[in-house]
Amino acid sequence: DGGITQSPKYLFRKEGQNVTLSCEQNLNHDAMYWYRQDPGQGLRLIYYSQIVNDFQKGDIAEGYSVSREKKESFPLTVTSAQKNPTAFYLCASRASSNQPQHFGDGTRLSIL
Amino acid sequence: QKEVEQDPGPLSVPEGAIVSLNCTYSNSAFQYFMWYRQYSRKGPELLMYTYSSGNKEDGRFTAQVDKSSKYISLFIRDSQPSDSATYLCAMRWLEYGNKLVFGAGTILRVKS
Repeated sequence: DGGITQSPKYLFRKEGQNVTLSCEQNLNHDAMYWYRQDPGQGLRLIYYSQIVNDFQKGDIAEGYSVSREKKESFPLTVTSAQKNPTAFYLCASRASSNQPQHFGDGTRLSIL
Repeated sequence: QKEVEQDPGPLSVPEGAIVSLNCTYSNSAFQYFMWYRQYSRKGPELLMYTYSSGNKEDGRFTAQVDKSSKYISLFIRDSQPSDSATYLCAMRWLEYGNKLVFGAGTILRVKS
């Protein structure tokens, strides 16, 4: 089945630790996005990538990093510099400029 | 002022009722308008995707866009308990990598 797969579903981070969230898509989509969702708030854009080996910061990029070495993969690293990482993280992808974004089922990150 | 305003609810209706969900926005650069449905612990699922002012119908769902008033609506006819979810409006900003700007979401509960 074609789709966007995020893993793991739940992740726990210790103080001072970096963690990496996986996002893989087999839709052959060019653009990929990472959003953060907090209770009672809309989704906020962290990073996005429109082509392989290129990515741009979104509205809340501080404390996060990404890479785009392959078209189908866009991992997000939550670094120790992100002081409030507890949230629901959503990955999305889009086929072309006039197509909508589609989402994976998210990773819930919590602090131990 | 937020770029996109959406009443968070919760909105509670009896089964079979017509539901009206609304968003207002302030940025004239928004070009495409979407409604997503999100169940608990899941990613948003695209329901409707529109560009022009006017109505677009898909089954029990009708999306309405009024660009002159900067106002969009989603109508759900014959609402079902399975429609109980959070509904997110989103608008696409073409000049910013096709970034989506989201409302905070409206929680809908349909009682059987």
